[in-house]
Amino acid sequence: DSGVTQTPKHLITATGQRVTLRCSPRSGDLSVYWYQQSLDQGLQFLIQYYNGEERAKGNILERFSAQQFPDLHSELNLSSLELGDSALYFCASSDRALNTEAFFGQGTRLTVV
Amino acid sequence: AQKITQTQPGMFVQEKEAVTLDCTYDTSDPSYGLFWYKQPSSGEMIFLIYQGSYDQQNATEGRYSLNFQKARKSANLVISASQLGDSAMYFCAMRVMNYGGSQGNLIFGKGTKLSVKP
Repeated sequence: DSGVTQTPKHLITATGQRVTLRCSPRSGDLSVYWYQQSLDQGLQFLIQYYNGEERAKGNILERFSAQQFPDLHSELNLSSLELGDSALYFCASSDRALNTEAFFGQGTRLTVV
Repeated sequence: AQKITQTQPGMFVQEKEAVTLDCTYDTSDPSYGLFWYKQPSSGEMIFLIYQGSYDQQNATEGRYSLNFQKARKSANLVISASQLGDSAMYFCAMRVMNYGGSQGNLIFGKGTKLSVKP
């Protein structure tokens, strides 16, 4: 158990809808990262939050947004969903030091139909 | 540009033999970390081993060792005494620091699918 909790584990929704994915980081970890894993794009970094502030952005679509709350949990909001948004979405957390692993949650498998 | 390259889409290994999974990286930052993750068919990402750019010795974790050749920018994973449970996707990843001093995100390679034959 990595200590990172993601909910829900599976999500099936229709095109055009909006969903929210939730992540609780490991206790004490200030950084939260969101990644998308799809068959054609591989594992892609979406966005990072550090202690409530956005720290870095990757290949995140404008239809997607995220935030990190004072209790350090994070939410990834996906709107106007398209078939191509079907993917495995991971949350990871880490502490300040460079030489630590990023602890990954189990992932949320999103299927857009 | 920062990049991770894994040139072996798939590999087979006989049970109990050793196998090397290749990984090369590209970065101009002097401080970085290299990681290997295992992703079984169930989907979770399992951390295996870490190597820091300033580490003098190759990292080892049980049956996993990382063959770090800094001048060649390679960070190959060696799995000794392969087991059937080692069958999975393996991802090499690199992390650099953000300009703000916090850890940056991971950059992943495309992965290698390892199949262990009985």
